[in-house]
Amino acid sequence: QKEVEQDPGPLSVPEGAIVSLNCTYSNSAFQYFMWYRQYSRKGPELLMYTYSSGNKEDGRFTAQVDKSSKYISLFIRDSQPSDSATYLCAMSLWEAGNMLTFGGGTRLMVKP
Amino acid sequence: AAGVIQSPRHLIKEKRETATLKCYPIPRHDTVYWYQQGPGQDPQFLISFYEKMQSDKGSIPDRFSAQQFSDYHSELNMSSLELGDSALYFCASSLGTGTNTGELFFGEGSRLTVL
Repeated sequence: QKEVEQDPGPLSVPEGAIVSLNCTYSNSAFQYFMWYRQYSRKGPELLMYTYSSGNKEDGRFTAQVDKSSKYISLFIRDSQPSDSATYLCAMSLWEAGNMLTFGGGTRLMVKP
Repeated sequence: AAGVIQSPRHLIKEKRETATLKCYPIPRHDTVYWYQQGPGQDPQFLISFYEKMQSDKGSIPDRFSAQQFSDYHSELNMSSLELGDSALYFCASSLGTGTNTGELFFGEGSRLTVL
């Protein structure tokens, strides 16, 4: 079993919809939680990071962490076709620096 | 703004050959990471360097080696290539401050195909 699990999708939504992306993890030692966006044939791009349980909002994006349930989410409001990409959750241990453990990624398609 | 530069972008090799990938981090970034992403897979951490010293080691095969040079660029050397080494190899850089923010900046990757 992988340390970080993520539904691979694809997830197809109409433009303007609210998108919910989720990851579960098994290692309770993870302290930092990130969401990356990866367009086809491009490198991952950091969207958001957080290290505490609760919500963090940045524009149309909200990251949610529930450490007690080992569950993190990314919400995208007013989704746009340009949001179509693969979304990867990633986590790291306090003492591992920036060495990240990624989820498998969820492919999102936003249709006009 | 300058980003992480990787070369070559595409590389085709045959089994048992060697390959070298290069990474030029964002200016002033002193930490470099290498990740391997197989087809349909998530990126797997290979190795990282901080101030030219290896800082962390992940699932890097013994056939692979890497180093960071005085100008902070890094090279990943892969020998005795196997079909399973075919993947997208990402380099990422960050400014190592001792705090963990996850703010890695990734390059566009080098796609290695082993025939």
